[in-house]
Amino acid sequence: QKEVEQNSGPLSVPEGAIASLNCTYSDRVSQSFFWYRQYSGKSPELIMSIYSNGDKEDGRFTAQLNKASQYVSLLIRDSQPSDSATYLCAVRQRYGGATNKLIFGTGTLLAVQP
Amino acid sequence: DVKVTQSSRYLVKRTGEKVFLECVQDMDHENMFWYRQDPGLGLRLIYFSYDVKMKEKGDIPEGYSVSREKKERFSLILESASTNQTSMYLCASSPGRTSSWETQYFGPGTRLLVL
Repeated sequence: QKEVEQNSGPLSVPEGAIASLNCTYSDRVSQSFFWYRQYSGKSPELIMSIYSNGDKEDGRFTAQLNKASQYVSLLIRDSQPSDSATYLCAVRQRYGGATNKLIFGTGTLLAVQP
Repeated sequence: DVKVTQSSRYLVKRTGEKVFLECVQDMDHENMFWYRQDPGLGLRLIYFSYDVKMKEKGDIPEGYSVSREKKERFSLILESASTNQTSMYLCASSPGRTSSWETQYFGPGTRLLVL
């Protein structure tokens, strides 16, 4: 089982719809979760982080975390063609001492159709 | 603005060559990371460093080494390049351990082709 799993997609949604991106993780002790966006040919950029169960909203983005189910999701409301990108889920794992590392999923390709 | 730069965007090398990939960040970040990104495998951590002259192995360190002589610079070295090291290499940096270290800022990437 992969440590962080995402459906590779593509996930195709019409403009204005809600895009729902999902991620599951295997390590129960994971505490911190992140969503990165990566446009084609570009490097990843952080868009959301979440640490507690429940929802966290930032503009059109909502991250949802359910630690009991080991599940984290990203909702994008009012999807725009400019949201078309690969979305990477990342989970922080304690490596040792004060230094931690991120484990990334393989990403979900989102295509927003005009 | 945080800036992470990488020495080359594209690089073509021959099998057996020694390859140096350099990364420089201008935000006085303590942590620096080297990843490779391959289709279907995602981002995989090769090495990271949380201080000058300190280095830690990531998930796939075999065939690679690193050097961090100055805080702002983190170099990835392929001792003897092989075709299976053809990949996109991404450098990232993040602030110190006491702050929001998890916000990793990525460089533009180096696409390496080993023939």
